[in-house]
Amino acid sequence: NAGVTQTPKFQVLKTGQSMTLQCAQDMNHNSMYWYRQDPGMGLRLIYYSASEGTTDKGEVPNGYNVSRLNKREFSLRLESAAPSQTSVYFCASKQGSGANVLTFGAGSRLTVL
Amino acid sequence: AQTVTQSQPEMSVQEAETVTLSCTYDTSESNYYLFWYKQPPSRQMILVIRQEAYKQQNATENRFSVNFQKAAKSFSLKISDSQLGDTAMYFCAFYNAGGTSYGKLTFGQGTILTVHP
Repeated sequence: NAGVTQTPKFQVLKTGQSMTLQCAQDMNHNSMYWYRQDPGMGLRLIYYSASEGTTDKGEVPNGYNVSRLNKREFSLRLESAAPSQTSVYFCASKQGSGANVLTFGAGSRLTVL
Repeated sequence: AQTVTQSQPEMSVQEAETVTLSCTYDTSESNYYLFWYKQPPSRQMILVIRQEAYKQQNATENRFSVNFQKAAKSFSLKISDSQLGDTAMYFCAFYNAGGTSYGKLTFGQGTILTVHP
């Protein structure tokens, strides 16, 4: 079982460029999440998808868009990258609203110059 | 909204000794869960221990145990017989189990723990 797989693991962008972080889970989980991790701030929720076909904003959604392509996949898009989006991004998933334990991917380190 | 505070940015301990990491939280909810996650240098987030707020008994997982003080809104992690492999960033997290919270974990700032040989 691969669990939660994120790609790419590392990416360097120039200001204004766009990119998409991909996330896929093979555990048949209903809910999926995108977090960013910054020094001294823990992990902050960007967007989440409670079930296939739904997405909602988290704590820090500005500058990002998401797509829940199907039950397995949840992508995060930066349309015009900014240096403030330099961070480590984590995708996570869980079974459903009754469950409470998230399974995380390995993280993607993004640097915006 | 919930807040989670970890007031110790860094801690260190000698191998085989015991260390306690602090966490406080603020919420008006009554139905919630608390977690400690470990993030080693590999960056992978690993669940260490979970506590249900409605349970008075403190959770224990091998060398890891918590001291859950619901009235004080405190949730500390005790690591006994520390091992070099315990060196990591530790995050305290809060999950609101009431209403349509959809697993929105709120994390603390993290504590870097270094275990010295």
